[in-house]
Amino acid sequence: AQSVTQLGSHVSVSEGALVLLRCNYSSSVPPYLFWYVQYPNQGLQLLLKYTTGATLVKGINGFEAEFKKSETSFHLTKPSAHMSDAAEYFCAVTLRGTSYGKLTFGQGTILTVHP
Amino acid sequence: DSGVTQTPKHLITATGQRVTLRCSPRSGDLSVYWYQQSLDQGLQFLIQYYNGEERAKGNILERFSAQQFPDLHSELNLSSLELGDSALYFCASTATGVGGYTFGSGTRLTVV
Repeated sequence: AQSVTQLGSHVSVSEGALVLLRCNYSSSVPPYLFWYVQYPNQGLQLLLKYTTGATLVKGINGFEAEFKKSETSFHLTKPSAHMSDAAEYFCAVTLRGTSYGKLTFGQGTILTVHP
Repeated sequence: DSGVTQTPKHLITATGQRVTLRCSPRSGDLSVYWYQQSLDQGLQFLIQYYNGEERAKGNILERFSAQQFPDLHSELNLSSLELGDSALYFCASTATGVGGYTFGSGTRLTVV
């Protein structure tokens, strides 16, 4: 079984500031980890994913995340926030070795960017 | 356009009614997943199909059912609708899972 906890349902930053969205997971086997973004009235778009290999993964729009097994974390960061980053972000996990397995999502974090 | 097509985009119906949501997966993807997104429950996995066969079930009510057809499109049937069924319903597809899951833009269901 797997679960995801996103710390902070709302995060507010100023434009140009660091964005840090926190995600911790629980998994009985090594996981695959994902971050998705959802803009208002739209579907979910894949930002980045960790499967194997390098633990620091880079995604679209300048986002990156680091898989830390010892901390069971997969936090999402962006060095400098832009107004267009305002959206809801979801961390998700699926179990490695279960091809085509379902995604389990966290509760989401709404990112607000102030001018 | 993600390549996953969901119809209709919006649906308003009365309690007790039955509706069908349709999903066409990305070309080549054999696996289809249905999710329900609501304010109180977040994103909940409902059901998964792989190449026409049910692969996994999540928090899907008995009033809900789904199927995947030979052309790989999938339909989610919701019956005896209640006010609490109002939500966004997403379909996602994947080829391998490892490469990521592609989501459609969703169907917003409003039960009145």
